[in-house]
Amino acid sequence: GEDVEQSLFLSVREGDSSVINCTYTDSSSTYLYWYKQEPGAGLQLLTYIFSNMDMKQDQRLTVLLNKKDKHLSLRIADTQTGDSAIYFCAEKSIRNYGQNFVFGPGTRLSVLP
Amino acid sequence: DAGVIQSPRHEVTEMGQEVTLRCKPISGHDYLFWYRQTMMRGLELLIYFNNNVPIDDSGMPEDRFSAKMPNASFSTLKIQPSEPRDSAVYFCASTPMVAGGPNEQFFGPGTRLTVL
Repeated sequence: GEDVEQSLFLSVREGDSSVINCTYTDSSSTYLYWYKQEPGAGLQLLTYIFSNMDMKQDQRLTVLLNKKDKHLSLRIADTQTGDSAIYFCAEKSIRNYGQNFVFGPGTRLSVLP
Repeated sequence: DAGVIQSPRHEVTEMGQEVTLRCKPISGHDYLFWYRQTMMRGLELLIYFNNNVPIDDSGMPEDRFSAKMPNASFSTLKIQPSEPRDSAVYFCASTPMVAGGPNEQFFGPGTRLTVL
């Protein structure tokens, strides 16, 4: 079945790197996503990676995809207090008419000064 | 575009009352999704529409929940009668349909529902 798993909490010190991990089950997923949710707000797309890529870098963000292990990670370099939020991993499954986004439970990132 | 608009932002009601949540998707987006977020269950997909037609409502918890999309710019999620366990944040999201594209979902700010 479709299931996306993430650890629920992560604490880092300001200036350190954060690594948020995710595992998914649908090997046919075409895109994998990272969304960010700040307090009191909706989810906002942070970045995505196409399934035929291994890595994508966007400023302080690095996404690594291991298709064999169905493992996705998000690395945030030089983590700032403004990065404190909940980060959701998601996959776009081609099942269910191809528009079923399956979200993980979210990882709450706390950045300590 | 103002993004996905949801109303109300906060709703407090008493058990047994009817609740209607509203959503205006981004103009030109073909798909509209309703999600529910709770601490216990995380983010759950309730239903989604394509071109105003409900495609998958398997996430709707029970018959007390219903959703409609009478036109491309408006959707409602109704709970009747409401129960305390329906308390959650309800999100609406929309996405354009671009073949082969990432089809990012754009989320509204959510409606925080509290049923007393």
